[in-house]
Amino acid sequence: QSVLTQPPSASGTPGQRVTISCSGSSSNIGNNYVYWYQQLPGTAPKLLIYWNNQRPSGVPDRFSGSKSGTSASLAISGLRSEDEADYYCAAWDDSLNVYVFGTGTKVTVL
Amino acid sequence: EVQLVESGGDLVQPGGSLRLSCAASGFTFSSYDMHWVRQATGKGLEWVSVIGTAGDTYYSGSVKGRFTISRENAKNSLYLQMNSLRAGDTAVYYCARARQGRPLLDYWGQGTLVTVSS
Repeated sequence: QSVLTQPPSASGTPGQRVTISCSGSSSNIGNNYVYWYQQLPGTAPKLLIYWNNQRPSGVPDRFSGSKSGTSASLAISGLRSEDEADYYCAAWDDSLNVYVFGTGTKVTVL
Repeated sequence: EVQLVESGGDLVQPGGSLRLSCAASGFTFSSYDMHWVRQATGKGLEWVSVIGTAGDTYYSGSVKGRFTISRENAKNSLYLQMNSLRAGDTAVYYCARARQGRPLLDYWGQGTLVTVSS
């Protein structure tokens, strides 16, 4: 059972902006960096955002991350069909001494 | 080019054991923490375990005491020994590389399927 809560789904039309929330607690998001992963259908997850708001080389600047208190958000601007995927937030939990993933959000491009 | 290739997945009976391997190439294996993450069919990602560069290990509550993570730097290999397997352990198991001391999983393997069933 995940300790990071995400909405199960989000959607938008091409070009729109979509935001995904990730809610945690003081022992995980509140005290540690947040990471975001993208999983395209049938493939392994890919690192999308690290250290709350940093993009690895090759990730378009349409993707942005933010964190405030015990919550974090991933925004996708200029939504494209290839953004249809599952998105997961993650953070280390100091109380449990485990890495926790969010429940995951399926993004659909209408 | 960084590559992670998992192997060892199989069909195993409940209560049985299995050892997964992850062969790494294209980077200095000994300088990175290594993680195992699993995903049941149609479900979300579930973190399993991590081993640090110094051999320190952490486990999720659901596998602690049953699974053992290890690494062999001379062979650029990561392992996951899984004992007392249960139906709930059925999943695709991914190995992933992470920067030392930071759970930044920047490269993932393609996964290997473990099925626990009688």
